[in-house]
Amino acid sequence: GDSVTQMEGPVTLSEEAFLTINCTYTATGYPSLFWYVQYPGEGLQLLLKATKADDKGSNKGFEATYRKETTSFHLEKGSVQVSDSAVYFCALTTANYGQNFVFGPGTRLSVLP
Amino acid sequence: EAGVTQFPSHSVIEKGQTVTLRCDPISGHDNLYWYRRVMGKEIKFLLHFVKESKQDESGMPNNRFLAERTGGTYSTLKVQPAELEDSGVYFCASSRLDIGTDTQYFGPGTRLTVL
Repeated sequence: GDSVTQMEGPVTLSEEAFLTINCTYTATGYPSLFWYVQYPGEGLQLLLKATKADDKGSNKGFEATYRKETTSFHLEKGSVQVSDSAVYFCALTTANYGQNFVFGPGTRLSVLP
Repeated sequence: EAGVTQFPSHSVIEKGQTVTLRCDPISGHDNLYWYRRVMGKEIKFLLHFVKESKQDESGMPNNRFLAERTGGTYSTLKVQPAELEDSGVYFCASSRLDIGTDTQYFGPGTRLTVL
C-alpha cells in the first residue's frame, strides 16, 4: 500500500539555522503531496502542498519540491525561528484513497533561541 | 469562523471501559474524517462521513469502534470495550464537499490513555 517515510526526530536547531526534513513516499497512483504542521496545543494545519511533479509548494518561508524521480518531498527553510517549533507531518493522497490522507510519523522540531 | 473542535482534550480510562469522543466540524462542512495517531507513529485514517453517511470506514480497526454522525453535524466515536492498544491521539477533520482534498481542517485531537 501507499506509505510515507520521514526522517526520525526530534530535530533541535538554533534560531536562524537552515532546516531540512526529509520525506519520501511510495504510491501506486499519482499522489498529491502535503506538509502539515501541529503547533503545541493546536490541530494540524496545512503548511504547503504540491499536486504534480516539479511543483514547488511554499508558505511562511518553508518550501518543498515534488520530485517524482526520487519520490521525495523534502521540507526546507532557510532560517528557522523559535515559533517554528512544532511537529511536521508529510502526507499524500491519491485516488486509491479517495479523499483520505496517508501520513508519515511526524518529525518534532525544537528551535532554541 | 470557529474551527474544528474535539471533546474531551484528554481521557484516561481503564481497560474494558467505554469512552466516547466527540467532534464538531466547521459549520457547513459535509465531509468529516476521523484519524488516529498511536504511540507516536503515523497518523492513520479511520473513516469518512459525507453528511450522515459513512463514505469509507476501511480504516476502522475492529468492531469495538463505532462512529456516528446523526443529523450530519457533529460526530461521535465510541470505543467499547477499550483495550490498551487503543491509546493514542484521535484527530477529527472536516472539509466542504465542493473543495478538493487539500482543504481538510483538523481539530486539536483527543488524547486517549487506556490503563
